[in-house]
Amino acid sequence: GAGVSQSPSNKVTEKGKDVELRCDPISGHTALYWYRQSLGQGLEFLIYFQGNSAPDKSGLPSDRFSAERTGGSVSTLTIQRTQQEDSAVYLCASSLIAGGRYEQYFGPGTRLTVT
Amino acid sequence: GIQVEQSPPDLILQEGANSTLRCNFSDSVNNLQWFHQNPWGQLINLFYIPSGTKQNGRLSATTVATERYSLLYISSSQTTDSGVYFCAAKSLRNSGNTPLVFGKGTRLSVIA
Repeated sequence: GAGVSQSPSNKVTEKGKDVELRCDPISGHTALYWYRQSLGQGLEFLIYFQGNSAPDKSGLPSDRFSAERTGGSVSTLTIQRTQQEDSAVYLCASSLIAGGRYEQYFGPGTRLTVT
Repeated sequence: GIQVEQSPPDLILQEGANSTLRCNFSDSVNNLQWFHQNPWGQLINLFYIPSGTKQNGRLSATTVATERYSLLYISSSQTTDSGVYFCAAKSLRNSGNTPLVFGKGTRLSVIA
């Protein structure tokens, strides 16, 4: 079946502009996660949605970052007034609890460059 | 929260050689995954292995949950194995589908 998809694959923006990144999770997966990977680094958790529960925003680095998930499916990560330090690859993942299994599957990522 | 440490940070292998990558974690886990990040940045799921041993072709993994470590074995390495290998874990203390905590990765270069 189809995996996690993300768009755009690459985004170049000027400092101070707003950007929106999109994630389509695997159909039927109830949990959706956003992570960020800066150059040469590991993955840093940003925000997590589980079903209809309030999202866990504990990883968002500043109030310029926000995310929503509409209809329990597609999610949009918005970065307002982008800064150069926001340049990174933004990765989305989804998972489904089945028999106590919590395996996460990742999309291809959006590479954001702030000039 | 849970800490995940990987070693070695970098590894260079001659094609055909075998290697072992290690992941230590600081708490009991109910999710442990190994990923390969290819040169294009895509994270490929290798193993979902909170405990036990699994094998997939030239790759195998073992997690000893009671001792809080996991090992990834690569046999007869190929140049296509190059990339970064990440271990990620979720603490048993966190219920539900909470996020994974990632190690810093092992960067593997396989030379022909």
